[in-house]
Amino acid sequence: QSVLTQPPSVSAAPGQKVTISCSGSSSNIGNNYVSWYQQLPGTAPKLLIYDNNERPSGIPDRFSGSKSGTSATLGITGLQTGDEADYYCGTWDSSLSVGVFGTGTKVTVL
Amino acid sequence: QVQLQQSGPGLVKPSQTLSLTCAISGDSVSSNSAAWNWIRQSPSRGLEWLGRTYYRSKWRNDYAVSVRSRITINPDTSKNQFSLQLNSVTPEDTAVYYCASRFVDRGMDVWGQGTTVTVSS
Repeated sequence: QSVLTQPPSVSAAPGQKVTISCSGSSSNIGNNYVSWYQQLPGTAPKLLIYDNNERPSGIPDRFSGSKSGTSATLGITGLQTGDEADYYCGTWDSSLSVGVFGTGTKVTVL
Repeated sequence: QVQLQQSGPGLVKPSQTLSLTCAISGDSVSSNSAAWNWIRQSPSRGLEWLGRTYYRSKWRNDYAVSVRSRITINPDTSKNQFSLQLNSVTPEDTAVYYCASRFVDRGMDVWGQGTTVTVSS
């Protein structure tokens, strides 16, 4: 159902870095901001990144966001066990006038 | 700070109407800079944005294509809350439903606690 494609899973050892891609089209990522959300088991999603690369207050700078063309990327450095969660990208689709989320990526700390 | 508190039944019979409410504290449903969203999540559909209501000189709504014929999101200015109504539900509407503030692209920074809704007879 999702129009934004993410890899199902990524993994790395503690202290290492992971990147999560979010692929869309010109009607969504290509012409709108992107946000990223972290969802721990049994909890509501939490905003990590807004306006492509901005962090809300309280989000450590280990989390970063970028956008190029019709794709966006979330980076997590200095991976910690507490980072094990599902991560979602989100944006607006201007052609459909709807909000859209990515398929979600599970991060595993080895 | 803004907080959202959801309420509503956790069990709905097929063909009936799912109704949930999201009470806002710390902001106004009539704010000219906010938007108020409903999102749901299920294993089969992932995170799915359902729709939003917001005030920009007049009340406006946007709805997901998948539910556009069955959904209504209404603001209630007297109680500073907004509601979700989803008609003619089927078991496929079984999901965790969330309300959230602001914009899916600019960042939805506050979420409700989530309500698990099961559609079953």
